[in-house]
Amino acid sequence: GNSVTQMEGPVTLSEEAFLTINCTYTATGYPSLFWYVQYPGEGLQLLLKATKADDKGSNKGFEATYRKETTSFHLEKGSVQVSDSAVYFCALSLNTGGFKTIFGAGTRLFVKA
Amino acid sequence: NAGVTQTPKFQVLKTGQSMTLQCAQDMNHEYMSWYRQDPGMGLRLIHYSVGAGITDQGEVPNGYNVSRSTTEDFPLRLLSAAPSQTSVYFCASSQTTGGASGYTFGSGTRLTVV
Repeated sequence: GNSVTQMEGPVTLSEEAFLTINCTYTATGYPSLFWYVQYPGEGLQLLLKATKADDKGSNKGFEATYRKETTSFHLEKGSVQVSDSAVYFCALSLNTGGFKTIFGAGTRLFVKA
Repeated sequence: NAGVTQTPKFQVLKTGQSMTLQCAQDMNHEYMSWYRQDPGMGLRLIHYSVGAGITDQGEVPNGYNVSRSTTEDFPLRLLSAAPSQTSVYFCASSQTTGGASGYTFGSGTRLTVV
């Protein structure tokens, strides 16, 4: 079936460190891929997206590239800040007789000053 | 610009009680959905609507009802609350069906059933 797998957290980094959060997917067809971020006590916010292979989504210093050959959409940021501490969700959307969005389990990131 | 508004933010219910979680959006989105968020399980779709008067079941619909009388509002009703329904509930809307262009989420309702 269709699914999203994210690396387990929590991920703990020092400020200015490089961030990678791995995401791989299984899908029949050609999904759109998303990263959402959830800050404490809030709802999810769309961070970035990519709609086809080799597309790169970017926002607020975060990037992710749609890799069809490895079915991956890893999230990266070159220098994290304390304010990036949040839970990050990878998701895919595809048409399975109607479009549906499937979310990964989420990866919690802690950034220490 | 309110986006998606959910009320209440917190609620405690006794087993067997009923209640309605409210959701309203002001972006004229046709597609709306309800998710529940449980630790380690991501978000699971409860019910969704592709427009006023049209609703359908998601992945975990048992114990919940929805209706969509207007484009703006999409309330979620718990018929007879059970401890297994303790969760955080999110309403989300999208310009396109199924969140294909990305969702706008509300801030959530944290529900505890005792």
